[in-house]
Amino acid sequence: QKEVEQDPGPLSVPEGAIVSLNCTYSNSAFQYFMWYRQYSRKGPELLMYTYSSGNKEDGRFTAQVDKSSKYISLFIRDSQPSDSATYLCAMSQSNTGKLIFGQGTTLQVKP
Amino acid sequence: SAVISQKPSRDICQRGTSLTIQCQVDSQVTMMFWYRQQPGQSLTLIATANQGSEATYESGFVIDKFPISRPNLTFSTLTVSNMSPEDSSIYLCSGIGTGAYEQYFGPGTRLTVT
Repeated sequence: QKEVEQDPGPLSVPEGAIVSLNCTYSNSAFQYFMWYRQYSRKGPELLMYTYSSGNKEDGRFTAQVDKSSKYISLFIRDSQPSDSATYLCAMSQSNTGKLIFGQGTTLQVKP
Repeated sequence: SAVISQKPSRDICQRGTSLTIQCQVDSQVTMMFWYRQQPGQSLTLIATANQGSEATYESGFVIDKFPISRPNLTFSTLTVSNMSPEDSSIYLCSGIGTGAYEQYFGPGTRLTVT
């Protein structure tokens, strides 16, 4: 069993839809949770980060962490074609940087 | 946020040769890392690049195959040695800024070994 599980998709939605992306994990020691967006042939771009449980909102993006369920989510409101990319969840036990990544979910937002 | 650049952006190399990838950060970072992203896969940590000392390697990665240097706080190199086609991947460096835990990535180096 992988430490971090993420449905690779692909996920296809119409423009304007609310997108929900999710990851589950098995290591209860994870405390730092991040979401990255990766466009084709580019490096991962940090979108959201949270420490421990709770919600965090930034514009159209909301990140949620439920440590009791070992489940994290990223919501994208009013999705745009420019949101089409692969979304990677990542997490670590400490702030020393070793990130464990999910497989990534490929999202396509159709105009 | 830190801006990270890598050179080369891509290369095609022959089996048995070595390639050195450079990573430059625009500001001082406390920690730097090297990751590998194999085709269709997610990112796997190769090692932590330690300033002025030997890198710390993850399970499955060894110094003889992936020697790493970090002579100062803003620069690191990764060498992929004695390459085989299985080394064809994207290699990415990343860094964490002072007093933070957000990790930023470079654009990656796309390596193809023939």
